[in-house]
Amino acid sequence: AQSVTQLDSHVSVSEGTPVLLRCNYSSSYSPSLFWYVQHPNKGLQLLLKYTSAATLVKGINGFEAEFKKSETSFHLTKPSAHMSDAAEYFCVVKLINDYKLSFGAGTTVTVRA
Amino acid sequence: KAGVTQTPRYLIKTRGQQVTLSCSPISGHRSVSWYQQTPGQGLQFLFEYFSETQRNKGNFPGRFSGRQFSNSRSEMNVSTLELGDSALYLCASSINTGQAASEQFFGPGTRLTVL
Repeated sequence: AQSVTQLDSHVSVSEGTPVLLRCNYSSSYSPSLFWYVQHPNKGLQLLLKYTSAATLVKGINGFEAEFKKSETSFHLTKPSAHMSDAAEYFCVVKLINDYKLSFGAGTTVTVRA
Repeated sequence: KAGVTQTPRYLIKTRGQQVTLSCSPISGHRSVSWYQQTPGQGLQFLFEYFSETQRNKGNFPGRFSGRQFSNSRSEMNVSTLELGDSALYLCASSINTGQAASEQFFGPGTRLTVL
């Protein structure tokens, strides 16, 4: 079985400062890992995915994530937060040959002007 | 390419009624998955369809059912609605969810309120 733990339910940053969203996963097998973002009253948008290629993954809107197998982590970062980054972020795991995504509980990001 | 569309966007029903939600996937995508999102339980997997076959089902009661048509469009049905069924229901499409890194593209969701 696989599970995902997002270590922070809420993160508040100032505009222009770095953002770090932490995610740990547990899986018996090598998973695929994703980060999705959900803006208020919207569906989910894929930010980036890890699929056992490069451990540092670059996504859209300046986000990137690093896969660390030894730490079973897949933290999401952005060097400089923008007001439009205010949203909820989900870390997601999927096993090969599995038909579902397993979501973390989500991290709400607030960006202060 | 048009994205995933879901209809209706908002729905209000009363307890005991039934409801049908519709999802049209991205053209060329054969997998459709359904998820329920609530503040208390987060995002939970309902079921996944590929080429009109249900391949996986989440831990939901039998009141929740779905189907997929030959054009890959999917519907989900909830019968005998309960207050706890109030949620955002999200549909996602992919080329083939069974593939390792198959990206799933989500629709805007249907907001169901049960009174």
